[in-house]
Amino acid sequence: DTEVTQTPKHLVMGMTNKKSLKCEQHMGHRAMYWYKQKAKKPPELMFVYSYEKLSINESVPSRFSPECPNSSLLNLHLHALQPEDSALYLCASSLRIDRTNTEAFFGQGTRLTVV
Amino acid sequence: GNSVTQMEGPVTLSEEAFLTINCTYTATGYPSLFWYVQYPGEGLQLLLKATKADDKGSNKGFEATYRKETTSFHLEKGSVQVSDSAVYFCALSGDRGSTLGRLYFGRGTQLTVWP
Repeated sequence: DTEVTQTPKHLVMGMTNKKSLKCEQHMGHRAMYWYKQKAKKPPELMFVYSYEKLSINESVPSRFSPECPNSSLLNLHLHALQPEDSALYLCASSLRIDRTNTEAFFGQGTRLTVV
Repeated sequence: GNSVTQMEGPVTLSEEAFLTINCTYTATGYPSLFWYVQYPGEGLQLLLKATKADDKGSNKGFEATYRKETTSFHLEKGSVQVSDSAVYFCALSGDRGSTLGRLYFGRGTQLTVWP
């Protein structure tokens, strides 16, 4: 199994809503990532978890709240988002972050629209 | 610091044409290098990788060689197909300190292949 599964695939939410994005992998990877991708741009790193602990937060606004309940799951909780937060949100995983020769596997993404 | 410079697109080719997408990098130490592909509406898929100088990554007819002397990792394919139409991202993974756990992406190159 070399898949990273993200749900939902599409999400439309109002600016006062609370929603969550989910990500799951069963490859035994101990590093998991959230990226944000705007149209025609490369992915931008948001958060990195290593061994279920937050390792990197790229100064992301607090309306985005990550959570790693266990080594297979990664959530991104959303609250009071702005229209400019509309984007493709990508989850990725890799074996570890203390080795450089391990590639990241990406999910299909959640297309988020904030109205 | 670490960075990736990718040739500007879009690139438009006829089927069976030769493809080159240029990628150069700046990095400290000995990074790993990757090419990712993103088909419309999907997440990123790893296309190929190289982890040390002079390594050649290859997959699905695509090739790229890690050239430390020219700090380059150009993507090539001898005969493109319509199904290769996608956005291609060059990326590097740092090898030390605060760069661990991060992928540094180029801007992406849109490839369109016409029948």
